[in-house]
Amino acid sequence: DAKTTQPPSMDCAEGRAANLPCNHSTISGNEYVYWYRQIHSQGPQYIIHGLKNNETNEMASLIITEDRKSSTLILPHATLRDTAVYYCIVRVATGGGATNKLIFGTGTLLAVQP
Amino acid sequence: DARVTQTPRHKVTEMGQEVTMRCQPILGHNTVFWYRQTMMQGLELLAYFRNRAPLDDSGMPKDRFSAEMPDATLATLKIQPSEPRDSAVYFCASGPTRGETQYFGPGTRLLVL
Repeated sequence: DAKTTQPPSMDCAEGRAANLPCNHSTISGNEYVYWYRQIHSQGPQYIIHGLKNNETNEMASLIITEDRKSSTLILPHATLRDTAVYYCIVRVATGGGATNKLIFGTGTLLAVQP
Repeated sequence: DARVTQTPRHKVTEMGQEVTMRCQPILGHNTVFWYRQTMMQGLELLAYFRNRAPLDDSGMPKDRFSAEMPDATLATLKIQPSEPRDSAVYFCASGPTRGETQYFGPGTRLLVL
């Protein structure tokens, strides 16, 4: 699975959009980009994933560059409860064996400020 | 609202004792994962099951750790004998066979003295 690079920490004002970047320059054509987050003292939580098109759900939007070497997770209106470590992960999404693994890096600690 | 449940939520034990952690995956999910999280190592995958069969346990110390799925509603992770370096939060996650997402439980916080 491709390695990802994320900034260790970011701040965001409450109510503003939080834009979390992720570099994955060695991503392969069949690898998806996944985002999970972990709020303090809880288990990781799935946010969103995508292959090459931009994706949006009730939690966030995912913008993937055309060359797929980087992506941005956007929380449109950050709240204090969005303070968490955000993990960007790339992996092949098929039904086969080890491809279901999630390899977590160190993530980005997003601190939403009041 | 279906959730992964884990018991116990907290465990304090002495070195050398056996520790058993339990996980109930979401009904209908047939893949189960065990992860360990420490400050030093972050989140690490220990073992992975599909349809109750172990597919990958390469991340698990074989001499003292064992993972099983006695039935589709229960996964267990055992440490025998436990050591202080096993102190960590252990997470269980489940997912559908071809699902892209894993759903994590609240974790078991283990402290080995």
